[in-house]
Amino acid sequence: QKEVEQDPGPLSVPEGAIVSLNCTYSNSAFQYFMWYRQYSRKGPELLMYTYSSGNKEDGRFTAQVDKSSKYISLFIRDSQPSDSATYLCAMSAMTGGSYIPTFGRGTSLIVHP
Amino acid sequence: NAGVTQTPKFRVLKTGQSMTLLCAQDMNHEYMYWYRQDPGMGLRLIHYSVGEGTTAKGEVPDGYNVSRLKKQNFLLGLESAAPSQTSVYFCASSYLDRGPYEQYFGPGTRLTVT
Repeated sequence: QKEVEQDPGPLSVPEGAIVSLNCTYSNSAFQYFMWYRQYSRKGPELLMYTYSSGNKEDGRFTAQVDKSSKYISLFIRDSQPSDSATYLCAMSAMTGGSYIPTFGRGTSLIVHP
Repeated sequence: NAGVTQTPKFRVLKTGQSMTLLCAQDMNHEYMYWYRQDPGMGLRLIHYSVGEGTTAKGEVPDGYNVSRLKKQNFLLGLESAAPSQTSVYFCASSYLDRGPYEQYFGPGTRLTVT
């Protein structure tokens, strides 16, 4: 079992829908929780991060972390076709004196007009 | 700022050939990383570096070597390429204090080994 599990999708939604993307994990030492967005044939870019548990909001995006359930979510409100991309969750814990991220497999999101 | 750049963008190798992938960053980042991305596998860490002259193994280091002789450059070498190394390779970098949560990625190198 991988440390970080993420459903690869694809997830197809109509424009304007609320999207929910999720990851589960097994390592209770993870402290930082990130969401990256990757457009086709491009490198990932950081969307947002959360330290420990709780919620964080940035515009149409909300990240949630539930450490008791080892479950994190990214919500996208009023989804747009430009949100179509692969969303990667990532988490990091101290390893050998450094925080090294572990990535999920990514979920492919398609928002159709 | 160019950010993180990777050279080359594409390459086709024959089994047994060697090559070096170059990653350069102009943000004065301490940390640098090499990942490979395969369909259905996500990003897997090959090697990383926490500073000039230091390197460490990641999740999938076999068949690869790295060097960080200058702070701004991180080289990934394949000594004897195998078809299993066909992948998209991403370099990333981060500040020491933001390493836990903020990585900047390059555009990737698409490598095919025949």
